[in-house]
Amino acid sequence: GDSVTQMEGPVTLSEEAFLTINCTYTATGYPSLFWYVQYPGEGLQLLLKATKADDKGSNKGFEATYRKETTSFHLEKGSVQVSDSAVYFCALSDRDTGFQKLVFGTGTRLLVSP
Amino acid sequence: DSGVTQTPKHLITATGQRVTLRCSPRSGDLSVYWYQQSLDQGLQFLIQYYNGEERAKGNILERFSAQQFPDLHSELNLSSLELGDSALYFCASSARREAGNTIYFGEGSWLTVV
Repeated sequence: GDSVTQMEGPVTLSEEAFLTINCTYTATGYPSLFWYVQYPGEGLQLLLKATKADDKGSNKGFEATYRKETTSFHLEKGSVQVSDSAVYFCALSDRDTGFQKLVFGTGTRLLVSP
Repeated sequence: DSGVTQTPKHLITATGQRVTLRCSPRSGDLSVYWYQQSLDQGLQFLIQYYNGEERAKGNILERFSAQQFPDLHSELNLSSLELGDSALYFCASSARREAGNTIYFGEGSWLTVV
């Protein structure tokens, strides 16, 4: 079945450091890919998405590029802030199923210190 | 604010009891999803409804059931509760059923079974 693998956390960075959170996927069809973020005590918010190969999703300084050849969708940010501390979830939705459901990775906790 | 409203936000109940979690999707969204987030299982897809009909089923226990009403709100019923059912239950909605369509999440209902 479809699956998403994320790097283990926590990822601990100092403010203004460069961030990469790795995400790879396995899918039988042609999935759409998403990054969701969960701030402490809050629900899931869509951060960015990409629906086809080579698409780049971006939002709030975060970027991720849909790489079909490496089945990856790594999240990057050039300069993190303390306010970026949260849990980040990579997810896919396989369009071949017709009725979509999101398959999530296990989440990666990011801790940014001043 | 995603526009998806869940009630109650927090709930504490005893083993063996039954609870109902309620969800109002974003205005106009026809698809409703339920997810469970627990420490050991991560984010698990439970069930999806589209315009009142069940469309996809995930890892939903037989003790759990859901429905979507004509006004498109949804309820998740959890019965014969066990300690292991303690989790954060998310409702989500999307405008259409196709993969790649953005799914918006509510803030979740925290269920604690004691």
